[in-house]
Amino acid sequence: QQQVKQSPQSLIVQKGGISIINCAYENTAFDYFPWYQQFPGKGPALLIAIRPDVSEKKEGRFTISFNKSAKQFSLHIMDSQPGDSATYFCAASMGWGSQGNLIFGKGTKLSVKP
Amino acid sequence: DTEVTQTPKHLVMGMTNKKSLKCEQHMGHRAMYWYKQKAKKPPELMFVYSYEKLSINESVPSRFSPECPNSSLLNLHLHALQPEDSALYLCASSQDGGGGPDTQYFGPGTRLTVL
Repeated sequence: QQQVKQSPQSLIVQKGGISIINCAYENTAFDYFPWYQQFPGKGPALLIAIRPDVSEKKEGRFTISFNKSAKQFSLHIMDSQPGDSATYFCAASMGWGSQGNLIFGKGTKLSVKP
Repeated sequence: DTEVTQTPKHLVMGMTNKKSLKCEQHMGHRAMYWYKQKAKKPPELMFVYSYEKLSINESVPSRFSPECPNSSLLNLHLHALQPEDSALYLCASSQDGGGGPDTQYFGPGTRLTVL
């Protein structure tokens, strides 16, 4: 019940296309859902995050869509660029207002072809 | 400033060596974390310190010994490691309280190789 399932494992997108990564969770106590971007040899960097009382959040080319009833959330990268090529991790935690351990998905390796 | 710093960037050690990894943050965060990350895997939680007290130890072998000297510093002492301990070791910090999201900010990591 603590798992976060992420798909696909890898994704190849043409420059300018839309990249979509999906995650699903079981524990309804999760109240915070961040996405992290990680380049090779670097630490994960927070990209965008959402709470379950919000259905969508957009920051620039990055959008999280959240479906509370289906217990699913997804990351959409519009106008994908080669510089977006990285590994993306979704995560979930009970970390709103207090320390919460992150439960990570297994990651999606995104390659954006020029 | 959301910076977490880690030293060294790279470390090569033998199985009989003793070494330490260091992590520092100046964001006033009260929770600090050590993670281990193997290639093509997500970060794996090792330890959590909350208000300078060890709150979580995810059944990590005793050859890894964490220390939190103060609210800004976190160390990981290494002794008698095995080659399978080679990985990227990540430090993170978060606010732990304050009414908002407990966002974890990660450092760049220390790439550890055990020979």
